[in-house]
Amino acid sequence: DAGVTQSPTHLIKTRGQQVTLRCSPKSGHDTVSWYQQALGQGPQFIFQYYEEEERQRGNFPDRFSGHQYPNYSSELNVNALLLGDSALYLCASSKRGTNYGYTFGSGTRLTVV
Amino acid sequence: KQEVTQIPAALSVPEGENLVLNCSFTDSAIYNLQWFRQDPGKGLTSLLLIQSSQREQTSGRLNASLDKSSGRSTLYIAASQPGDSATYLCAALSGSARQLTFGSGTQLTVLP
Repeated sequence: DAGVTQSPTHLIKTRGQQVTLRCSPKSGHDTVSWYQQALGQGPQFIFQYYEEEERQRGNFPDRFSGHQYPNYSSELNVNALLLGDSALYLCASSKRGTNYGYTFGSGTRLTVV
Repeated sequence: KQEVTQIPAALSVPEGENLVLNCSFTDSAIYNLQWFRQDPGKGLTSLLLIQSSQREQTSGRLNASLDKSSGRSTLYIAASQPGDSATYLCAALSGSARQLTFGSGTQLTVLP
């Protein structure tokens, strides 16, 4: 049973560029959440997608946007990259309306230079 | 707004010692609480999940307890091993969107 798959694993971008990160949820899950984890900190909630719509958003600027496809896979887009966007980006999937646990992917390490 | 705090931020113990990691949360209206392990530069591995109606969960040498009324959870690790060295994160599931809120983690080092 495949878990959560994220791609790419590592990425280096130049300040001002745009980046797209991808996530495929665990089989049977329909909700995807994205988190940003800076070095030495806990993951911070960016947003959550369900039924192809953004359902909840954390304290992140509009430069961060996302999308969910009919097959539940999701993308995280970040525009006008800043040095401070360098972090590990984690995708988590879950089953809407249940209290089962979240399953996390291995993350994408984004470095902005 | 849910806030999660973990104490201590770092812990170093000799191999074989039993230890306790602490987690507190401000909003007791949680659905569940999950403990994760994170190795350096890696993703999160779920260790234990405690539903709001439960008091504890056990897996091998790990035992997690939950006291909703006091807003606390503890992760007990028995007979620690060097392979247990990692960062341990707790996260509370709460809110209408069932959002997961994390603490900053406890970095554990088990010395051989």
